[in-house]
Amino acid sequence: NAGVTQTPKFRVLKTGQSMTLLCAQDMNHEYMYWYRQDPGMGLRLIHYSVGEGTTAKGEVPDGYNVSRLKKQNFLLGLESAAPSQTSVYFCASEAFQSPDTQYFGPGTRLTVL
Amino acid sequence: LAKTTQPISMDSYEGQEVNITCSHNNIATNDYITWYQQFPSQGPRFIIQGYKTKVTNEVASLFIPADRKSSTLSLPRVSLSDTAVYYCLVGDHNAGNMLTFGGGTRLMVKP
Repeated sequence: NAGVTQTPKFRVLKTGQSMTLLCAQDMNHEYMYWYRQDPGMGLRLIHYSVGEGTTAKGEVPDGYNVSRLKKQNFLLGLESAAPSQTSVYFCASEAFQSPDTQYFGPGTRLTVL
Repeated sequence: LAKTTQPISMDSYEGQEVNITCSHNNIATNDYITWYQQFPSQGPRFIIQGYKTKVTNEVASLFIPADRKSSTLSLPRVSLSDTAVYYCLVGDHNAGNMLTFGGGTRLMVKP
């Protein structure tokens, strides 16, 4: 049981490049989330999903897109990376029967030059 | 979403009990109070959750007064490994809820 995994762990992009971050969970959780955390700050919600095939905007969705084609995977895409998107990205999942109890992945450290 | 206020930082020494208080004056009837712990370079980890009175688990205790406008996370006999950021969150107890992580409380445990 790996819990929540994230790929890749580190990535450096140039401004304007695109990339996709992958989140996978093996706990059969219905809900999944993408957060970003800037140095010394709390987490801010980017997008989330309450089920396969559904997504919704969070607090800071601009510049990001997401997809949830399979229940266990939640993808975060950056179409044209900007230096302001330099951050640590965390994915989390949550079971329907345990509201507000989220399980987090180890994070992806992204630097945009 | 109910807004929470908690101290930016706290210092303690090994073996002491640490109490972190969170204020949430506009908590709604359906809101639960949840605390997370985050170590450097790691994702947050669920610690404890409660609605009213007192909740205790193997890690911490959570005290919630009758008016529910505040809550106190109590860590018994802290060790150096308890040095972390602690977040207090309040949200409608529905899955898919948008939790708001504020700045948290940075706890430093000294030897």
